Amino acid sequence: GENVEQHPSTLSVQEGDSAVIKCTYSDSASNYFPWYKQELGKGPQLIIDIRSNVGEKKDQRIAVTLNKTAKHFSLHITETQPEDSAVYFCAASIRAGTALIFGKGTTLSVSS
Amino acid sequence: ETGVTQTPRHLVMGMTNKKSLKCEQHLGHNAMYWYKQSAKKPLELMFVYNFKEQTENNSVPSRFSPECPNSSHLFLHLHTLQPEDSALYLCASSPDAANTEAFFGQGTRLTVV
Repeated sequence: GENVEQHPSTLSVQEGDSAVIKCTYSDSASNYFPWYKQELGKGPQLIIDIRSNVGEKKDQRIAVTLNKTAKHFSLHITETQPEDSAVYFCAASIRAGTALIFGKGTTLSVSS
Repeated sequence: ETGVTQTPRHLVMGMTNKKSLKCEQHLGHNAMYWYKQSAKKPLELMFVYNFKEQTENNSVPSRFSPECPNSSHLFLHLHTLQPEDSALYLCASSPDAANTEAFFGQGTRLTVV
């Protein structure tokens, strides 16, 4: 079955710096890779996703890159702000009818 | 708001109690999910319903019993739970169970005493 590894588990940056979170997956058939942000007391919320036919996707300060050969994908946040502080989860989905498999999460702290 | 509402937000129950968690989505989605979120663990998939039919049961103990009466509502019935079942239980929905965005509720924080 699919296994998703996420690193680092915690990440501390200064406001304005960039943050990068990496995930690897085991099943080469995986074709959908979302990233979720979870703030305290709330459920996870999708912030960006990418499908296997695309190598990179950007939405303002966040971007996701996908390397299918190496089976890893990364979240990039530029010009970080204190409100970016949260837990970020990557996930992968293999085929129709299967639910998302999540990584363990990265706690991002942005200090001003 | 994500369009997925979970009640109650917090629940404390004894090991001999029976309680139910409720999830409702107003998004017109056909797939609904239960996930368990424990400290320092990945989100664990528990159950998947697609068009009201259970399509996945991820080796969940029988003390957790899901019910999906229609595509908008999902329940998780709880009985004789253990303290290690204390966690945040998250409900999610998606247009269908086919590699599409999942929308999560805010979760029910369950404490078993």
